[in-house]
Amino acid sequence: EAQVTQNPRYLITVTGKKLTVTCSQNMNHEYMSWYRQDPGLGLRQIYYSMNVEVTDKGDVPEGYKVSRKEKRNFPLILESPSPNQTSLYFCASSWSGRAGDEQFFGPGTRLTVL
Amino acid sequence: AQTVTQSQPEMSVQEAETVTLSCTYDTSESDYYLFWYKQPPSRQMILVIRQEAYKQQNATENRFSVNFQKAAKSFSLKISDSQLGDAAMYFCAYRSAGTGNQFYFGTGTSLTVIP
Repeated sequence: EAQVTQNPRYLITVTGKKLTVTCSQNMNHEYMSWYRQDPGLGLRQIYYSMNVEVTDKGDVPEGYKVSRKEKRNFPLILESPSPNQTSLYFCASSWSGRAGDEQFFGPGTRLTVL
Repeated sequence: AQTVTQSQPEMSVQEAETVTLSCTYDTSESDYYLFWYKQPPSRQMILVIRQEAYKQQNATENRFSVNFQKAAKSFSLKISDSQLGDAAMYFCAYRSAGTGNQFYFGTGTSLTVIP
């Protein structure tokens, strides 16, 4: 089944404890992206990647890191999480970076930073 | 950065009736794509419909259609014959066809379908 998977689905952590949210897609997509969703703010793009070893900042990259060493994986790293990073996170992928391509979203990761 | 505005935080519709969700955007570009995504209580994001700015014909997908007014920078979603399964949060989104890399989402409209 074609899908985007994220792990973990739920995570409660404490301020300053490094964490990684994994994202994997099995569709051989070139483009991958991370979003955070907050009430009243919609979805905001954190980082995106056009292909392996090619990443760029979205609207809200502060406090996050990403890497794209393999085409299928695009992990999101929070080196020192803070409470303002409590949010619902989505990973998404599409066939290419063409504007009209449909993005396929993962199921979301609910992160709480205490 | 482009901005996408959804001015209706909440909407409701009677089952089988028609509802229109509004979306406006701000851009200086001439070629871009607009999208409507649906997010049901399961939180899964689902593409409902997309429109390329260069296409004058409004996109349609079954009961879902858009009214794209390029000059007014307006992109509304019409849901006909509303069903209980249409209840969800709906997000409007913009993506440049030039740079094509960043997505900009609106703040969402929560749609309730009344039986």
